[in-house]
Amino acid sequence: DQQVKQNSPSLSVQEGRISILNCDYTNSMFDYFLWYKKYPAEGPTFLISISSIKDKNEDGRFTVFLNKSAKHLSLHIVPSQPGDSAVYFCAASARSGNQFYFGTGTSLTVIP
Amino acid sequence: GAVVSQHPSWVICKSGTSVKIECRSLDFQATTMFWYRQFPKQSLMLMATSNEGSKATYEQGVEKDKFLINHASLTLSTLTVTSAHPEDSSFYICSAHNRAYEKLFFGSGTQLSVL
Repeated sequence: DQQVKQNSPSLSVQEGRISILNCDYTNSMFDYFLWYKKYPAEGPTFLISISSIKDKNEDGRFTVFLNKSAKHLSLHIVPSQPGDSAVYFCAASARSGNQFYFGTGTSLTVIP
Repeated sequence: GAVVSQHPSWVICKSGTSVKIECRSLDFQATTMFWYRQFPKQSLMLMATSNEGSKATYEQGVEKDKFLINHASLTLSTLTVTSAHPEDSSFYICSAHNRAYEKLFFGSGTQLSVL
């Protein structure tokens, strides 16, 4: 049972435009969400996170939005750069627990 | 920042041999580490949760006798693929939970190729 879902396996965006990656979750106990970026043959690297007490968190070109009522979060990258091309995973956890649940990933390609 | 070291990064072995992969948290103590497997163009698949000082918790469908996990200290977890076969060829990744940062930090992965 997939508690965290990324329904778009891939996304292509023109350089300089906005990339929007979406993530949905089913467990209302999740209160902490993270985005990771992964290049081929490398481990994922942390990108940005958001707590459920917020609806937005921004870090440079990356912004994560959280809609708790819809159980939906999104990662916005603007402007997109070719170096952003990678697989992006969203993850969710309940802070009271010790488990992180990952989505299946979205492969982003930024076209120069 | 928190660093997780995983090695070897690449291993090639003959069918029937056992391979040990190490995962170390270099500058923090990790009571919990996770082991993942990734097939080409697929997502991270959680294999097991490794808790320091206790038995690992395996996900459904993962053979615990095949994939031996030891988490003997707060900074080291090992995954041993026993009697490896070609179908075990995959990219294995570990992660460590840093509670202070409320994040998972990942190792760089191990590409296992079984001939």
